[in-house]
Amino acid sequence: EVQLVQSGAEVKKPGESLKISCKGSGYSFSSYWIAWVRQMPGKGLEWMGIIYPGDSDTRYSPSFQGQVTISADKSISTAYLQWSSLKASDTAMYYCARSIVVAGSGNWFDPWGQGTLVTVSS
Amino acid sequence: QFVLTQPPSVSAAPGQKVTISCSGSSSNIGNNYVCWYQQLPGTAPKLLIYDNNKRPSGIPDRFSGSKSGTSATLGITGLQTGDEADYYCGTWDSSLSAVVFGGGTKLTVL
Repeated sequence: EVQLVQSGAEVKKPGESLKISCKGSGYSFSSYWIAWVRQMPGKGLEWMGIIYPGDSDTRYSPSFQGQVTISADKSISTAYLQWSSLKASDTAMYYCARSIVVAGSGNWFDPWGQGTLVTVSS
Repeated sequence: QFVLTQPPSVSAAPGQKVTISCSGSSSNIGNNYVCWYQQLPGTAPKLLIYDNNKRPSGIPDRFSGSKSGTSATLGITGLQTGDEADYYCGTWDSSLSAVVFGGGTKLTVL
């Protein structure tokens, strides 16, 4: 079974750093892009960026460029999303998802991780 | 705020059919494939439709997708109470170089 398992919920203070993880299993982790998606409380989905674990090629949404860092360690089939200085506005659920990209076709996310809730509050 | 436009909510009775629209532009829906996701309350999104109208294995044929020009539509027939969820359309935007989503549509099965 293809599965993505994310790290647990976090409660942090403004200005603190944070790194959350997403571990893949049941498929060749190095061969598929991994996307990160933000969902703020009661709001919709926002694509943050993607990484190809095979060579760590990373692309960011213009909205999130410079705000977060996406990385991966293919030796342990894990992708990461990190912040150097959290803000209250970073409070959200963060999902990772395997991104399927097919030449001449579209791209879609399947499956998704269960989500990591990040709460930033003083 | 969201590049793709969806109605905030739709509703229908059990057993009936409902459609959810997703409107975009030539830089996204007009020249790229559309997918749809279902998010049941308190859970992660799940892929329903990809490449405009294809269903992943395990998704019943009650769910269908279509695209025309710069708009896409998700159709659900034989509505069940278990279909109550938020539904999101998504696609690549060539101008933004980013995946974009609609704001989501909440389906209520009365």
